[in-house]
Amino acid sequence: GDSVTQMEGPVTLSEEAFLTINCTYTATGYPSLFWYVQYPGEGLQLLLKATKADDKGSNKGFEATYRKETTSFHLEKGSVQVSDSAVYFCALTKWDAGKSTFGDGTTLTVKP
Amino acid sequence: EPEVTQTPSHQVTQMGQEVILRCVPISNHLYFYWYRQILGQKVEFLVSFYNNEISEKSEIFDDQFSVERPDGSNFTLKIRSTKLEDSAMYFCASSPDTGYNEQFFGPGTRLTVL
Repeated sequence: GDSVTQMEGPVTLSEEAFLTINCTYTATGYPSLFWYVQYPGEGLQLLLKATKADDKGSNKGFEATYRKETTSFHLEKGSVQVSDSAVYFCALTKWDAGKSTFGDGTTLTVKP
Repeated sequence: EPEVTQTPSHQVTQMGQEVILRCVPISNHLYFYWYRQILGQKVEFLVSFYNNEISEKSEIFDDQFSVERPDGSNFTLKIRSTKLEDSAMYFCASSPDTGYNEQFFGPGTRLTVL
């Protein structure tokens, strides 16, 4: 079945450091790919998405590019802030299934 | 901006009791979902619902679970006889369409089974 694999956490960075959270997927067909963010005690918020190969999703300084050849959707940010501390989930959906398949989540802590 | 709402935010119940978790999806959406997240673990799909019937369910969604859209706005998840392992955060989501549109998630209901 479909699956999403995220880099293991937790990840601790200093403010203004560069962030990469790796995400790879296994799926038949052509899934849409998403990054969600979950702040402490809150629900899931969509951070960015990409619906086809080579698409780049971006939002709030975060970027991820849909790489079909490597089945990856790595999340990057050039300069993290303390307020970016949260859990980040990579996910995919397929048009014929509708449901989302999530990775395990990566906890990011940014220290001042 | 339209959003998915869920009530209650926190439900505490005794093992063996029935609970109903409520969700109000975004009004023009057609697809509805329930997910759960056991503390510290990944978000897991439970069930999807379209056109007043279940379109897909996971192996977690056994006979103890049921979903219903009793009117034009609410979408409920019922657990008939709760177990300790049902303790989790339950998220409702809705989508205008499958696949290429994101799912809009509610804030979640934290269910604690004692």
